[in-house]
Amino acid sequence: QKEVEQDPGPLSVPEGAIVSLNCTYSNSAFQYFMWYRQYSRKGPELLMYTYSSGNKEDGRFTAQVDKSSKYISLFIRDSQPSDSATYLCAMSGRTGGFKTIFGAGTRLFVKA
Amino acid sequence: GAVVSQHPSRVICKSGTSVKIECRSLDFQATTMFWYRQFPKQSLMLMATSNEGSKATYEQGVEKDKFLINHASLTLSTLTVTSAHPEDSSFYICSARPRGENTGELFFGEGSRLTVL
Repeated sequence: QKEVEQDPGPLSVPEGAIVSLNCTYSNSAFQYFMWYRQYSRKGPELLMYTYSSGNKEDGRFTAQVDKSSKYISLFIRDSQPSDSATYLCAMSGRTGGFKTIFGAGTRLFVKA
Repeated sequence: GAVVSQHPSRVICKSGTSVKIECRSLDFQATTMFWYRQFPKQSLMLMATSNEGSKATYEQGVEKDKFLINHASLTLSTLTVTSAHPEDSSFYICSARPRGENTGELFFGEGSRLTVL
């Protein structure tokens, strides 16, 4: 079993839709949770960073962490074609020296 | 925000030559940098962890003599692909962790696309 599971997609939605991206994990020691966006042939860009459980909102993006279920989500409201990219979840914890573990990435296509 | 610069962004070389890729943290010091390899439509594959002033730690299956990593300063790490072959063609990405930052938060370079003919 992988430490972090993420559906690779692809996920295709119409413009304006609410997008839900998710990851599950098995290591209860993870405390820090990140979402990265990667456009084709570019390096990943940090979108959201959350510590422990709870919600965090930044513009059209909302990150949720449910540590009891070992489940994290990224919601994108009013999705735009420019949101089309691969979204990678990532997490780390004190165990393992804060080594960052990445999900496989979900490819998202937002159709105009 | 923290900026990581990676150079070159694209390189084409002949089989048997060596190629050096640089990763620089522009506005912060990074005691730890990471090197990844990414195949098309696949996720990041961690190759090695580069610590300033010490030897890099390689992931299982990564040849340390093939992929030489040097982290000579708090703002620069280099990856040298030695005696490159076509199967080494890939997208190489570096990331850096700010000095004193122990949360796992990473900042990535733009990546370097290597094509070996």
